[in-house]
Amino acid sequence: EVQLLESGGGLVQPGGSLRLSCAASGFIFSNTAMSWVRQAPGKGLEWVSAISGSGGSTDYADSVKGRFTISRDNSKNTLYMQMNSLRAEDTAVYYCAKLDSSGYYPEHWGQGTLVTVSS
Amino acid sequence: DIQMTQSPSSLSASVGDRVTITCRASQSISKYLNWYQQKPGKAPKLLIYVASSLPSGVPSRFSGSGSGTDFTLTISSLQPEDFATYYCQQSNSIPRITFGPGTKVDIK
Repeated sequence: EVQLLESGGGLVQPGGSLRLSCAASGFIFSNTAMSWVRQAPGKGLEWVSAISGSGGSTDYADSVKGRFTISRDNSKNTLYMQMNSLRAEDTAVYYCAKLDSSGYYPEHWGQGTLVTVSS
Repeated sequence: DIQMTQSPSSLSASVGDRVTITCRASQSISKYLNWYQQKPGKAPKLLIYVASSLPSGVPSRFSGSGSGTDFTLTISSLQPEDFATYYCQQSNSIPRITFGPGTKVDIK
């Protein structure tokens, strides 16, 4: 059974940093592209970033480019998101998602972790 | 970037009703369209992939159709557990996927 467990969310001041983690199990992690998707309170879903199975290819939404860094440790079956220079508009539940074998769509989602950026 | 729209933004329906939700892409996305169901406080769940395919475990009352720019999600007979928000998502410009704004289905 695929399991994705996010952690690392919390309250942070504007301009601060936070690192999210997503522990994966139930599939061959190193063969699988992963994404982060966020959802601001009461709003819709927004794709944030993606990374290939090897970690050699990454991409970011324009809203976070230059501030967020996605990475992975395949020896630990863990996905990360380093978030710097956080803004109020980054407040959201952050979901990690396992993409399908072709990397087209999120087929499994974690339960999410809440990031609140506020002074 | 490919923009996605959905209509209606919300609807009220009764158990047993047939429900149709429409999703439109700003440019052709072939069949690279997926649908998700999200209940309050929960993560989204994949309902339909590549326009019309059902993942294992998804009830057959859910169906999807369309190609190009226009797509539909149909629930043939609405059940109490189907009251939720539904999102479409395009996969034509991977990895930069985009989601529609959502359609909330609630009880009439």
